[in-house]
Amino acid sequence: EAQVTQNPRYLITVTGKKLTVTCSQNMNHEYMSWYRQDPGLGLRQIYYSMNVEVTDKGDVPEGYKVSRKEKRNFPLILESPSPNQTSLYFCASSLSRQPRVEAFFGQGTRLTVV
Amino acid sequence: RKEVEQDPGPFNVPEGATVAFNCTYSNSASQSFFWYRQDCRKEPKLLMSVYSSGNEDGRFTAQLNRASQYISLLIRDSKLSDSATYLCVVNPYNNNDMRFGAGTRLTVKP
Repeated sequence: EAQVTQNPRYLITVTGKKLTVTCSQNMNHEYMSWYRQDPGLGLRQIYYSMNVEVTDKGDVPEGYKVSRKEKRNFPLILESPSPNQTSLYFCASSLSRQPRVEAFFGQGTRLTVV
Repeated sequence: RKEVEQDPGPFNVPEGATVAFNCTYSNSASQSFFWYRQDCRKEPKLLMSVYSSGNEDGRFTAQLNRASQYISLLIRDSKLSDSATYLCVVNPYNNNDMRFGAGTRLTVKP
């Protein structure tokens, strides 16, 4: 089954404790991205990757890191989480540079930083 | 001004009603347009693409007005299962850079 898998689904952590949210897709998509979703603001892009070893900042990259060592995986790293990073996070993947490209989303990670 | 703006709702309608959502976008060069559906606390899923000539998929009709820079979604004969948040999505450069509206929440009641 074609899917994007995120882990964990729920996470409560304390300020400053490094964490990683994993994302994996099995569709051989080149493009992967991370979004955060906050009430009233919609999905905002954090980072994206056009292909292996190619990553770039989205609209709200501060406080986040990513890596793309393999095509299927795109982990999101919070080196020192803060309460303003409490949010619902989605990983997405799609074919690269195709017209009308459909994005496939993971099930989401609800992160709470206390 | 936000790149993609939607009326947040909520829209509360009875079963069988027709409901329409509008969405405006700021980048006149935008190339691709979509409606995604998001159920409560779940991931967004593609509902339909929006074509210049307008397109229909069962009870759902999408329209694009480039001159006025807005997109619409019409749902006819609403079902309880249509209750969700509908996200307007614009791809300004016909690549993978998608811009999301904040969503319009629909509740269909018996």
